[in-house]
Amino acid sequence: QVQLVQSGAEVKKPGSSVRVSCKASGGTFSSYAVSWVRQAPGQGLEWMGGIIPIFGTTNYAQMFQGRVTITADESTSTVYMELSSLRSEDTAVYYCARLNEPYVFDIWGQGTLVTVSS
Amino acid sequence: DIQMTQSPFSLSASVGDRVTITCRASQSVTNYLNWYQQKPGKAPTLLIYAASSLHSGVPSRFSGSGSGTDFTLTISSLQPEDFATYYCQQSYSSRFTFGPGTKVEIK
Repeated sequence: QVQLVQSGAEVKKPGSSVRVSCKASGGTFSSYAVSWVRQAPGQGLEWMGGIIPIFGTTNYAQMFQGRVTITADESTSTVYMELSSLRSEDTAVYYCARLNEPYVFDIWGQGTLVTVSS
Repeated sequence: DIQMTQSPFSLSASVGDRVTITCRASQSVTNYLNWYQQKPGKAPTLLIYAASSLHSGVPSRFSGSGSGTDFTLTISSLQPEDFATYYCQQSYSSRFTFGPGTKVEIK
């Protein structure tokens, strides 16, 4: 069974960028899509965007368009999410999740806390 | 984007109670509606997909129904491990959206 293993917690300054990784352990992403979902402290889940690693095609939520970039490295079965122009409101736990048929997030990473603070 | 709402925002219930959570979409999502459970400090886990299909390994006390814009998640007999926050999510549009969540607390 594939597991998604994310990189560790980050502390960033406002205006900087952060890159979070998500590696498929015990398998590959195959033809599945991978999405990123974030959760601010005490708040709900917010879909940011996704990628189909085998094709490299991406899809982003309107509110993050221009600020988020999702990429994939098939050779290492790793997906990356980079968020730029960070502000305090971007402080959140960021999750990667596999999108399976019929369009459900069936496997999630453990989450990565990104703290934006001066 | 398709907006998702849930009610109630939170509820208090006792072990053994029947609990129903409602989710509404701003436009029809046919049956592309999923439910997730999240416990504090943990990633969400899939409960129900395609409005009414039980994900593998999920207890049968969980059930889902609905189509179009109105959906429900029902827990037939609440167990101690079910105290958590529940989210609906539409996958009709490729720009996925989640509901705000319903927190189920112990009475």
